[in-house]
Amino acid sequence: KQEVTQIPAALSVPEGENLVLNCSFTDSAIYNLQWFRQDPGKGLTSLLLIQSSQREQTSGRLNASLDKSSGRSTLYIAASQPGDSATYLCAVIYSGAGSYQLTFGKGTKLSVIP
Amino acid sequence: DTGVSQNPRHKITKRGQNVTFRCDPISEHNRLYWYRQTLGQGPEFLTYFQNEAQLEKSRLLSDRFSAERPKGSFSTLEIQRTEQGDSAMYLCASSLVKGSHSPLHFGNGTRLTVT
Repeated sequence: KQEVTQIPAALSVPEGENLVLNCSFTDSAIYNLQWFRQDPGKGLTSLLLIQSSQREQTSGRLNASLDKSSGRSTLYIAASQPGDSATYLCAVIYSGAGSYQLTFGKGTKLSVIP
Repeated sequence: DTGVSQNPRHKITKRGQNVTFRCDPISEHNRLYWYRQTLGQGPEFLTYFQNEAQLEKSRLLSDRFSAERPKGSFSTLEIQRTEQGDSAMYLCASSLVKGSHSPLHFGNGTRLTVT
């Protein structure tokens, strides 16, 4: 069974700091990995999707990397802002058994202090 | 607004009642997913549709749960004889799959409270 772990569970940083969120998964046979942002009481907003053949994706101040062999992904946020405060979730689509369900981690709750 | 739309946003019901939620996906998306999320947890997969066909169901989806996507557009999720353990946020997502997977786009969810 694919399991996704996110460390730390919560992170508090001062505004302007660069930061890294970590995600690990137990089975390297994945189709892709996706990072999401979730604001309190809201749905998920897709940030970046990395296909299994890719090593990284960038969007603005965000950069996500993927290392399938070690079962790890990182989300790098540059020059953090208070508006970045949210819970960040990573999820994988596992390519085994023809399933196309996303398996999520529990998320990292980020607080950016002004 | 061309995003995923879910209704209602909130639903409070008494134990034993039936509830139905609706999801309108992004119009050109051929896949539609239902997930359930409880406090402090990541979303858990329930089921997904490719057009109107329901292709996969999680073991979380008990016999009291039924989902439909009759014309390959909007979908409904019905929970019969609700239990307190059904209280959660129910999230719908859609994607366009042509050969490879595109990002999932989620709605804002329906929060169900069973009293």
